[in-house]
Amino acid sequence: QSALTQPASVSASPGQSITISCTGTSGDIGGFNYVSWYQQHPGKAPTLLFYDVNTRQPETPHRFSAAKSGNTASLIISGLQTDDEADYYCASFTYVNTWVFGGGTKLTVL
Amino acid sequence: QVQLVESGGGVVQPGKSLRLSCEASGFIFSTYAMHWVRQAPGKGLQWVAVVSHDGDNEYYADSVKGRFTISRDNSKNTLYLQLDSLRGEDTAVYFCARARHLGVYYSGDYWGQGTLVTVSA
Repeated sequence: QSALTQPASVSASPGQSITISCTGTSGDIGGFNYVSWYQQHPGKAPTLLFYDVNTRQPETPHRFSAAKSGNTASLIISGLQTDDEADYYCASFTYVNTWVFGGGTKLTVL
Repeated sequence: QVQLVESGGGVVQPGKSLRLSCEASGFIFSTYAMHWVRQAPGKGLQWVAVVSHDGDNEYYADSVKGRFTISRDNSKNTLYLQLDSLRGEDTAVYFCARARHLGVYYSGDYWGQGTLVTVSA
């Protein structure tokens, strides 16, 4: 049950776009379409952005999108806003009926 | 509205036990699987355990298997996590999260605010 691999940090200016990758294995991301993405602001509980790879929660802005190719999932944010500054986590169901999170990516909007 | 309220955290010595509770409201508790997820201070999220809607199936992270037990009482709309043989590395905020539906393969959609467990001599 190794954690999924995410970049520790990404940064960009308001209005720009970024992509956060999340790499796993055929036993998790590659084997199932059960990938979720979460946003967490400091001191708050995580909020679900996407589930089942790219199904958007109703509250998730359309500037956010998600995708998967092979063993790697991606979260794309376009038109960055200062409020997007947060930690982002991917998560995947695994072949042993457990879940595994990525290490998290700190997004800084300069 | 969906509400999840964790309780039971505190300071405990290594090797001791603690039981966390998560009281649910605003939805039909018995039709949803439930997760526990933890976050050590300054660290990322770590999935801990999941239990199916009826309590018949439960799965654990390797790091807690054999020491932690997830359970639920659908008559009380309450989820539990029994923490035994606690270690320093178990120090974390523990969140409960509702799965999106009854199966364990559904990710958590609503989360509580968490309860802090500190393992220290």
